[in-house]
Amino acid sequence: DTGVSQNPRHKITKRGQNVTFRCDPISEHNRLYWYRQTLGQGPEFLTYFQNEAQLEKSRLLSDRFSAERPKGSFSTLEIQRTEQGDSAMYLCASSQGAGGLYGYTFGSGTRLTVV
Amino acid sequence: DQQVKQNSPSLSVQEGRISILNCDYTNSMFDYFLWYKKYPAEGPTFLISISSIKDKNEDGRFTVFLNKSAKHLSLHIVPSQPGDSAVYFCAASDTGNQFYFGTGTSLTVIP
Repeated sequence: DTGVSQNPRHKITKRGQNVTFRCDPISEHNRLYWYRQTLGQGPEFLTYFQNEAQLEKSRLLSDRFSAERPKGSFSTLEIQRTEQGDSAMYLCASSQGAGGLYGYTFGSGTRLTVV
Repeated sequence: DQQVKQNSPSLSVQEGRISILNCDYTNSMFDYFLWYKKYPAEGPTFLISISSIKDKNEDGRFTVFLNKSAKHLSLHIVPSQPGDSAVYFCAASDTGNQFYFGTGTSLTVIP
């Protein structure tokens, strides 16, 4: 197993365009999380899935953001009509059950730059 | 509303000495406390954790202390090594699902 894989690693887009990121979790992990990290800040929770069900969404996740996890495997995060404030590192993580005291395994992230 | 705070953006220590990284939180319902380590261009890596029913957890050179009355936790690294140079994030959660992260402390261990 190669860990949590995120693609692309970098994305530059023009304001107003739509972008989609993909996350492939560790295969035996049933929970998948999306976080966002801006410069000088720690990761901020966006949403998480248990298998294919999206169980929780942060208030940070505006209606321009949508996440899916079809069939409980990989997940996609789409941002519509991107804004400059969306520029950030988008981190995906996975765990078997709740992270709890074992934490999650994070991917290396997708860095989004909106110009 | 920052529920987890790391007030020291950076810390430098000599190799072999102790590194102490601090973290404060505001939510008394937090039960799970984790420390992550992050190298440039990589995602955070889980380092060590502690539950609210304990006040200390040790794993090799790393020890985490929890003071619930002060809502404070700290990570001790002893002896510090140059490979420990990284950004350290503390994180806390009440459910074990959604974690709140601090802003990180950049540790530099000087050979």
